[in-house]
Amino acid sequence: EDQVTQSPEALRLQEGESSSLNCSYTVSGLRGLFWYRQDPGKGPEFLFTLYSAGEEKEKERLKATLTKKESFLHITAPKPEDSATYLCAVGGSNYKLTFGKGTLLTVNP
Amino acid sequence: NAGVMQNPRHLVRRRGQEARLRCSPMKGHSHVYWYRQLPEEGLKFMVYLQKENIIDESGMPKERFSAEFPKEGPSILRIQQVVRGDSAAYFCASSSTTDVGQPQHFGDGTRLSIL
Repeated sequence: EDQVTQSPEALRLQEGESSSLNCSYTVSGLRGLFWYRQDPGKGPEFLFTLYSAGEEKEKERLKATLTKKESFLHITAPKPEDSATYLCAVGGSNYKLTFGKGTLLTVNP
Repeated sequence: NAGVMQNPRHLVRRRGQEARLRCSPMKGHSHVYWYRQLPEEGLKFMVYLQKENIIDESGMPKERFSAEFPKEGPSILRIQQVVRGDSAAYFCASSSTTDVGQPQHFGDGTRLSIL
C-alpha cells in the first residue's frame, strides 16, 4: 500500500525566513509525485509534478526536489501570502493519488 | 470559469436523509475522481469514474455510498441514510487522461454537515 508522511505538521516562519517541508513516501512504481497548496475552505491547487529522482521544479519562491524516498518543498524568503497547507501526494500503479496529511505553513509579517 | 465546479458548497442534512453532491469536471476532462477529507486526516480516494463507467471504487464504503458519471450532466456522489460520521469535505478532481502521472485538478469541495 502506498504511503505518504509529511513533516512537520505545522511550521511558523517569519517573513523572509527560508525553510523546507518534507514528504517521505513509499509507493509501488512511482508515476508522479505531486505538490498542492490548499487554502482554508478551498480545494487543493496544483503546484508541481516530479517524476524521477534528481528532478527539480521551481515556481516563484517555491522549489520542489525529489529523491527515491522523499521530496522537499523549499520556500525561499516567504511572504505572508505563502501561508497555506501544503499537500504532497503520490501516484502509483493504480489510478488514485495517495495524500499525506499536509504541513500547515504560517508566515508572519 | 473553466475549473472543476462542485455544488453545493455546503450541505446540511439530518441523520437518515440523503445527500447528493455534484461535480462538473474541467472542460475537456473525461476522468473524475472523488476524495473525502476528514478533520485532521489527509484526502482519501473514494472512486474513479469515466463517462458511464465506474473504473475503481475501492475507496468507497460498500453500503450507502454510490457514484455515477452519466453521458450528459455532472458526476454525482450519493450518500443514503447519512450518519454523523459522514460529516466531511468531499472533493472532486478531474483529469484529461487515465495516466496517474498527470496532475488531477480539484474543485473547492462540498462541506457536508450531519445534524
